[in-house]
Amino acid sequence: GAGVSQSPSNKVTEKGKDVELRCDPISGHTALYWYRQRLGQGLEFLIYFQGNSAPDKSGLPSDRFSAERTGESVSTLTIQRTQQEDSAVYLCASSPTGTGINYGYTFGSGTRLTVV
Amino acid sequence: AQSVTQLGSHVSVSEGALVLLRCNYSSSVPPYLFWYVQYPNQGLQLLLKYTSAATLVKGINGFEAEFKKSETSFHLTKPSAHMSDAAEYFCAVSFFGNEKLTFGTGTRLTIIP
Repeated sequence: GAGVSQSPSNKVTEKGKDVELRCDPISGHTALYWYRQRLGQGLEFLIYFQGNSAPDKSGLPSDRFSAERTGESVSTLTIQRTQQEDSAVYLCASSPTGTGINYGYTFGSGTRLTVV
Repeated sequence: AQSVTQLGSHVSVSEGALVLLRCNYSSSVPPYLFWYVQYPNQGLQLLLKYTSAATLVKGINGFEAEFKKSETSFHLTKPSAHMSDAAEYFCAVSFFGNEKLTFGTGTRLTIIP
């Protein structure tokens, strides 16, 4: 597609439930990133996929968080046993191989997750 | 430790006035620096970037930023604010050419008619 697509745009879930967030990167972009934006805070890095390399998971806050990516396409971020502190906007970004820091990243509009 | 700081979570300026949004970083080596803008209900959009070329960087929508190594700063400016500039602005840094970005906490810019 023309841009990075994320779904759903909004998600309200009960505490303790699992949620899946989806990201469709720009076609041909090999690098994909997940960030979290909590209210009043900056973006926090979560995970980074680059082609077929092992993902950089160093930003995942706990083992309740996991992400997968199929080849160079769709990625899914899963949060198990959601907690209220997981409420945030989850942003996905993509870039062509190795050029993110040179040319910038293209961000999606995000998924707003509210845990009640 | 490497970090990035945006001074002022909210900035208000009159239409036509100078816009100045501040960003400072902490690093032993010059990083790559970015400014992103986020309009309501939209994704982040790259305004401009510094990647060790010219220290004065011009971006979209009339914005520019100057990298000052001595001050470890990368402040964003626009000579004359427009109502359409109302948005949240994020400074972001890549340390050591790392693909991961470290973001500031953002500055919400309000334009007063």
